[in-house]
Amino acid sequence: DADVTQTPRNRITKTGKRIMLECSQTKGHDRMYWYRQDPGLGLRLIYYSFDVKDINKGEISDGYSVSRQAQAKFSLSLESAIPNQTALYFCATSDQSTGELFFGEGSRLTVL
Amino acid sequence: AQKITQTQPGMFVQEKEAVTLDCTYDTSDPSYGLFWYKQPSSGEMIFLIYQGSYDQQNATEGRYSLNFQKARKSANLVISASQLGDSAMYFCAMREYQLIKAAGNKLTFGGGTRVLVKP
Repeated sequence: DADVTQTPRNRITKTGKRIMLECSQTKGHDRMYWYRQDPGLGLRLIYYSFDVKDINKGEISDGYSVSRQAQAKFSLSLESAIPNQTALYFCATSDQSTGELFFGEGSRLTVL
Repeated sequence: AQKITQTQPGMFVQEKEAVTLDCTYDTSDPSYGLFWYKQPSSGEMIFLIYQGSYDQQNATEGRYSLNFQKARKSANLVISASQLGDSAMYFCAMREYQLIKAAGNKLTFGGGTRVLVKP
């Protein structure tokens, strides 16, 4: 089983709908992240969390919100999806000492 | 300004040959780390190699090596003896340790280079 699990893996939705992407991890890391990937732009950070009580905006947080329900769970919400939020979304955790990111398998979201 | 620049959007390489993927970075932080990740067509992100700014030697990991030129702020990935399974997107990323302490282990990514290995 994957150490970082994302659900759903694929989702097609319509403009204006509320969408939640969920992430759970078994690595025991305190730090969790949500990135989005767009062609030619690499991965850009949406939100990150140091622990359950510490949530921070990344470089492209507008239109998104997050919830850290537990150390192992970090969900990303799109309150009212729009087409330019069509992207591949990655959840990640990191080891505090090395800084290496451990990624989930990605969630492909299409907003029509 | 872009923190991580990968100037090669795509490239072909012949199987069994070596390929160099370019990565330049921009930081005023004296302490930083550089990462390379591989993304096959299946979409997952696979960690390849890491270079710390104070490391005296270039990092190596199997067929992967990092040509780290600190003065030029470049950290090029070299893949030796390319295999068909090396066909993928490759991302360079940087973590700044001191100036952005509060940001934890936030990595900044380049736009990626797509490599296609030809048989």
